[in-house]
Amino acid sequence: DVKVTQSSRYLVKRTGEKVFLECVQDMDHENMFWYRQDPGLGLRLIYFSYDVKMKEKGDIPEGYSVSREKKERFSLILESASTNQTSMYLCATRSPSGETQYFGPGTRLLVL
Amino acid sequence: GEDVEQSLFLSVREGDSSVINCTYTDSSSTYLYWYKQEPGAGLQLLTYIFSNMDMKQDQRLTVLLNKKDKHLSLRIADTQTGDSAIYFCAAVSGGYQKVTFGIGTKLQVIP
Repeated sequence: DVKVTQSSRYLVKRTGEKVFLECVQDMDHENMFWYRQDPGLGLRLIYFSYDVKMKEKGDIPEGYSVSREKKERFSLILESASTNQTSMYLCATRSPSGETQYFGPGTRLLVL
Repeated sequence: GEDVEQSLFLSVREGDSSVINCTYTDSSSTYLYWYKQEPGAGLQLLTYIFSNMDMKQDQRLTVLLNKKDKHLSLRIADTQTGDSAIYFCAAVSGGYQKVTFGIGTKLQVIP
């Protein structure tokens, strides 16, 4: 079974803080994704990466950056957290064939 | 870009069949997924279907794809209270094989 883990289930940060959300997968998948999930808006793609050191903007990249130094790890960075970034953040990885996409358990971030 | 739409809410009685519908806009979509999300949890992949298939059955789950109408449905037979969750439809399309999600359908199962 594919395992996707995220560093924290719940996180509380203050406005202006730098926030790191870590995601690790154990299946050597090349494609990894960061989404945020908000009530009434579904899942929106923030960034994705199709290889080490490669990254592409998703639909809502503003206020975020990412890092992919190793294949198994994809980090989402909030350079200066704001209250409108309070959300559930979900990491995902996709199998090489593209058939299946697996999600981590999510990190619920509250920015005060 | 791709747009995926699904109804917000469905209520069924325990033991009945549930049918959750979804439409998508990009006719070149390659895969279509159904995910289940229970409260406070991440998304669990339930099943997927290739765009060249019409139907896929997996135990209590049946996925029907009408490619002409760009319509996807998920049927859950003998719905149980444990099936209460939000169900997301998603479509894969484009050069980077981007996944676009619907807003999610909340399934309520009444005992």
